This record gives sequence, C-alpha cells and structure tokens, in this order.
Amino acid sequence: QKEVEQDPGPLSVPEGAIVSLNCTYSNSAFQYFMWYRQYSRKGPELLMYTYSSGNKEDGRFTAQVDKSSKYISLFIRDSQPSDSATYLCAMKKTSYDKVIFGPGTSLSVIP
Amino acid sequence: EAQVTQNPRYLITVTGKKLTVTCSQNMNHEYMSWYRQDPGLGLRQIYYSMNVEVTDKGDVPEGYKVSRKEKRNFPLILESPSPNQTSLYFCASSGQGTDTQYFGPGTRLTVL
Repeated sequence: QKEVEQDPGPLSVPEGAIVSLNCTYSNSAFQYFMWYRQYSRKGPELLMYTYSSGNKEDGRFTAQVDKSSKYISLFIRDSQPSDSATYLCAMKKTSYDKVIFGPGTSLSVIP
Repeated sequence: EAQVTQNPRYLITVTGKKLTVTCSQNMNHEYMSWYRQDPGLGLRQIYYSMNVEVTDKGDVPEGYKVSRKEKRNFPLILESPSPNQTSLYFCASSGQGTDTQYFGPGTRLTVL
C-alpha cells in the first residue's frame, strides 16, 4: 500500500462546478498537509497548507483534513478554466520532515 | 524576482555519458531538494540538503550524486545515466524547514 493515494483522474467538469479532490494516507503520524497545483510543463506551486485537522479557506479553495479517517480534501468553488491543472496532495510528520507527495489528480474545467 | 532556475530544461543523452543538471535559487533558502516525477508515482525525493555542505539521501538516491558548496546552488549529477533515469526532474527550495517549497520549472531528461 502506498503511503499516500490519490485518484489520478482525469476529472473533467463544466465551468462553475464545485470540484472535490481527495487523498487518503496510511501513516497516522502525518501532521502537516498541503495541496500543490501543477500546470502543464511547470513546477508545482503551493496552494494550501494546513496543520492537523480542520478546515482552511482561501478564496474559492477550501482544504479539509480528517485525521481520524486519514483523509484530506480540496474543494474548489465556482471552478474556472484556469483551474485546469494537476493537483498534488502532500504531507509530512514534522516541520522539518521530508514531504510525501501523492501521484496527483488531473483536472480539466470545460468552458 | 524570487525564483528557482534549472538548466537545461530538456536533455537527451546516451547511456553512460555523465551529465549535470544545475539548480540555483535567489531566495537565500537553506533547504534544497531534488525530485523526480514519473507517471503514476508522483514526486519522489532523490536527495536533499539542509544547508551548505549538508546533504542526505531521499527515497530514490541510487545513480545520483549531489553537492552543496554554495547556498544558492544544488547541482544533480548522474555519473553513468541509464534508461531508467529517464524522467522529469524538479529542484525545490524552502526557507524554514519544508513548509513551503518553491519548485523550479523542471528538466525533462531522456536517456537512450
């Protein structure tokens, strides 16, 4: 079993839809959770960063962590064509620990 | 502009021919790292460096070398490349720990 699992997609939604992206993990020691966005032919860029359980909102994006279920989610409201990218979940145990990335979910938002 | 640069962006080479991929950051970051990205496997860490002259292996270090003689540079060296090292490589840096990593644009390497 991989440490971090993510549905690779591709996921295709119409513009304006609510998108839900998810990851599951196996190591209960993970405390820090991140979502990176990667456009085609670019490096990943940090989108959301959360510590422990709970929700965090930033504009149209909401990150949710459920440590009891070992499950994290990223919600995108009012999705735009510019949101079309691959979304990578990532997590780590301590602030200085190495980051473990999921394989990524490819998202296409159709105008 | 704060950035991480990598060179070359694209490289096609043959088995056994030594190569170096350069990485440089202008943010005075202490932590730097190399990843490879393969379909279905995501980003896997090759080597990382906590500071000048401090490097350590990541998850997939076999066949790679690194050095950190200056804070801004962290080159990746493939002494004898093999076809299984064909991949997309990313360099990343961060200031405090590994909280926010800034990634370079990537180097697509093909080893024939």
